[in-house]
Amino acid sequence: GAGVSQSPSNKVTEKGKDVELRCDPISGHTALYWYRQSLGQGLEFLIYFQGNSAPDKSGLPSDRFSAERTGGSVSTLTIQRTQQEDSAVYLCASSLAFSGGFEQYFGPGTRLTVT
Amino acid sequence: AQSVTQLDSQVPVFEEAPVELRCNYSSSVSVYLFWYVQYPNQGLQLLLKYLSGSTLVKGINGFEAEFNKSQTSFHLRKPSVHISDTAEYFCAREDRGSTLGRLYFGRGTQLTVWP
Repeated sequence: GAGVSQSPSNKVTEKGKDVELRCDPISGHTALYWYRQSLGQGLEFLIYFQGNSAPDKSGLPSDRFSAERTGGSVSTLTIQRTQQEDSAVYLCASSLAFSGGFEQYFGPGTRLTVT
Repeated sequence: AQSVTQLDSQVPVFEEAPVELRCNYSSSVSVYLFWYVQYPNQGLQLLLKYLSGSTLVKGINGFEAEFNKSQTSFHLRKPSVHISDTAEYFCAREDRGSTLGRLYFGRGTQLTVWP
């Protein structure tokens, strides 16, 4: 079956612009996670969804970041007024359930470059 | 304080030699532990995980890891590496009983296998 897909694979944007990153999880996976991978910070947790609900948004780095999930499936991570420090690879993962040691399946990531 | 520590950022080794990638964790609760591998330009893939039971866990591609509660370690080993094992390896923990299911990752260890 299909794995987790993300689009675009690469995004170059100018500082101050808004960007949207998309994630298509594995069908039937109720949990969806966003992480950010950068040289300075390693792999950071951003947010997770149980169904369409995000119980904890404290991992989002600033109020310029937001995320939503619709229909228990596709998720969008939006970054407003991008800054150079937002440059990173944004990874999406999904799992059958949201806790209990379930494997998280990762997508290939979106590489965001803010110029 | 870092909650998952990978003690070596880079490990060079010759083909067919044994290798150990070290991981220590800290947590106030019991944990699930994982090793993920990231090949160049690909997403993270689960190698193995420890949930409970036997402390020696076997994973894909001939890798194994041992959970040591007293030393709070979860080192990854392979008795004989191949060039195709060249990749970045990430240790991660999930807190048991957490409703978040989030993973806390180490900074990663780049394994380079030379012919």
